[in-house]
Amino acid sequence: DVKVTQSSRYLVKRTGEKVFLECVQDMDHENMFWYRQDPGLGLRLIYFSYDVKMKEKGDIPEGYSVSREKKERFSLILESASTNQTSMYLCASSLLGTTLSGNEQFFGPGTRLTVL
Amino acid sequence: AQKITQTQPGMFVQEKEAVTLDCTYDTSDPSYGLFWYKQPSSGEMIFLIYQGSYDQQNATEGRYSLNFQKARKSANLVISASQLGDSAMYFCAMRETNTGGFKTIFGAGTRLFVKA
Repeated sequence: DVKVTQSSRYLVKRTGEKVFLECVQDMDHENMFWYRQDPGLGLRLIYFSYDVKMKEKGDIPEGYSVSREKKERFSLILESASTNQTSMYLCASSLLGTTLSGNEQFFGPGTRLTVL
Repeated sequence: AQKITQTQPGMFVQEKEAVTLDCTYDTSDPSYGLFWYKQPSSGEMIFLIYQGSYDQQNATEGRYSLNFQKARKSANLVISASQLGDSAMYFCAMRETNTGGFKTIFGAGTRLFVKA
């Protein structure tokens, strides 16, 4: 059974703290993604990675960084958490394929982060 | 600029009837893929259907079909014979070529309510 796991389902942090969100997949996927989901805004892409040590900015990278030291693990880092980063964070992975590949994304259960 | 637009924040449908969820997209890339995902209240994202930009026929998967109109840049999801379990958020997504890897972005979603 394919799986994407995220380190925490719920997380509460204080403003200014450094926050690490971990994502692990066991499908040997090349692509990994971090999204945040907010009501009325859908899923917004923060960063994605298509290979170890490779990363690409998504649509809202400001205030975030990522790390991909191993193929199966993709970490999202909030260097100095702020209240406007309170959100649901979803990690996903997929095969690399080509643009036209029907390689769907597999999602983790999400981490609901609250920054006080 | 919004690349994926879902104009219906919420939709109601009677059980056993068909419903169409709208999605329009914007890209200058001739090669792209379009996806629909379902997110029930439990939160997990479930892949439903895929359409490639060069596919001549509309994609179908069981009760789901994708009404792909390339010239209009629309990729509407049609659910036939709605069931109570279809009540969920539905997201349209587009995968396009990027300088590295393949970026996948999502719309804001449509919440579907199926009435008994």
